[in-house]
Amino acid sequence: QSALTQPASVSGSPGQSITISCTGTSSDVGGYNYVSWYQQHPGKAPKLMIYDVSNRPSGVSNRFSGSKSGNTASLTISGLQAEDEADYYCSSYTSSSTLPYVVFGGGTKLTVL
Amino acid sequence: QVQLQESGPGLVKPSETLSLTCTVSGGSISSYYWSWIRQPAGKGLEWIGRIYTSGSTNYNPSLKSRVTMSVDTSKNQFSLKLSSVTAADTAVYYCARSLSWSYGMDVWGQGTTVTVSS
Repeated sequence: QSALTQPASVSGSPGQSITISCTGTSSDVGGYNYVSWYQQHPGKAPKLMIYDVSNRPSGVSNRFSGSKSGNTASLTISGLQAEDEADYYCSSYTSSSTLPYVVFGGGTKLTVL
Repeated sequence: QVQLQESGPGLVKPSETLSLTCTVSGGSISSYYWSWIRQPAGKGLEWIGRIYTSGSTNYNPSLKSRVTMSVDTSKNQFSLKLSSVTAADTAVYYCARSLSWSYGMDVWGQGTTVTVSS
């Protein structure tokens, strides 16, 4: 069982917007602004899409945005495109143990209809 | 730009030690954190741990007793050792770079598949 909870799947039509949630606790998502989002296409390595809750690395489309409220972080993709179909993972710094580490969500499969 | 390449045996016997190396090219290994992440087939990502170029480490508590990471700045390489492996350790293993707990893991290797089987 993953430390962070994501929906197993979401779907949307081209041009629409979708949001993927990532729920943790006050020891991780809710306690720190160290939430990242990764996109992974089949057979490929993950790609950083959002870091520190809402920041986009250089080169990532502004159709991708991140936010957080309480213990839940969210990734929103606007203007869905076929190329956005992929698995998406959230991650967070966590202090739930004696020493800090990183936890991932279970992943969400995005289908573009 | 910076590229990462994992290398090591693709097959490891149960109870033995898995050893992987990640080579950093196109940039310096210094002043960054270097992580290992794994992904069993069809499943999600699991962070194994990270090492700074000074040698300081952070490990996933669930794997800490079996994990050792090291760094060789002269070779621009860092390594992972996972002891007493079982079939549950079969996965694609990725190495990745981060600047701190902040900024996320911005550069990833392509991954290497390790199978634990006799």
